[in-house]
Amino acid sequence: EVQLVESGGGLVQPGGSLRLSCAASGVTFSSYAMTWVRQAPGKGLEWVSSVSGDGAYTDYADSVKGRFTISRDNSKNTLYLQMDSLRVDDTALYHCAKGSGIHYSRIDYWGQGVLVTVSS
Amino acid sequence: DIQMTQSPSSLSASVGDRVIITCRASQGVSHYVAWFQQKPGKVPKLLIYAASTLQSGVPSRFSGSGSGTDFTLTISSLQPEDFATYYCQKYDRAPLTFGGGTKVEIK
Repeated sequence: EVQLVESGGGLVQPGGSLRLSCAASGVTFSSYAMTWVRQAPGKGLEWVSSVSGDGAYTDYADSVKGRFTISRDNSKNTLYLQMDSLRVDDTALYHCAKGSGIHYSRIDYWGQGVLVTVSS
Repeated sequence: DIQMTQSPSSLSASVGDRVIITCRASQGVSHYVAWFQQKPGKVPKLLIYAASTLQSGVPSRFSGSGSGTDFTLTISSLQPEDFATYYCQKYDRAPLTFGGGTKVEIK
C-alpha cells in the first residue's frame, strides 16, 4: 500500500523559512514523479511544484518560483520542499502527491497534508 | 501558461439528477486531463484520467469526455455520497494547473 506522510509544517513569521518532508513507502520511489499541491483555507487546489523521478527536472508555480525549492532523496524515499521568504498568502495545507509515471503525470496518491501558517 | 476554467463554480442538484461539469483549457492539452473529487476535510480522490479513463474502484456513474480544450465530467445519477467539490487538472506539462473547482450541493 502506498503511503505518503508529510512533516515539517508549523507557524512561521513572514520572511521566514520552513522545510517540508514527505516520506514515501510501499512504492519504488525513484520510478515516479512527485508533486506538492497546496490548499489555502476554504480555497481550491493549487499546484506548487513537481520533480521527475530521477530529480533531473523540476518546475514551479509562478507564485513560488525563486522562493521554494523542490528536491528528493531517492535513497531515503523522501521528497522535500524548502520554502524561503514565506508570505502570509503561503498559508495552506501542503500535500505531497505521487505521479503515475517517472515524468509529470496524473496524481494517483495523496498524502494527508501538513499545515503551514505564515503569520506575525 | 495554460489556464483551466471550470463551470459552473457551484450547482445544486437532487439525488438521481444527471450532473455535467465542464473544464475548458485556454490552449490544447490533448487528453491529459484528470478529474478529482474532494469532500470536506479529506484528500482529493482521482476519478478520471486521460480525459475519459475511469480510475479503478470508481463507480461507473462517473464518466469523462473531451480532448484538446473542452472536457466534461458527467455524473449520470447523483448519489448522496457524491456531494463534494470536483476539480479538473491538466498534466501534459508544467504548470500542472487545476481548475477552480465545482461545488455540488444538495437541492
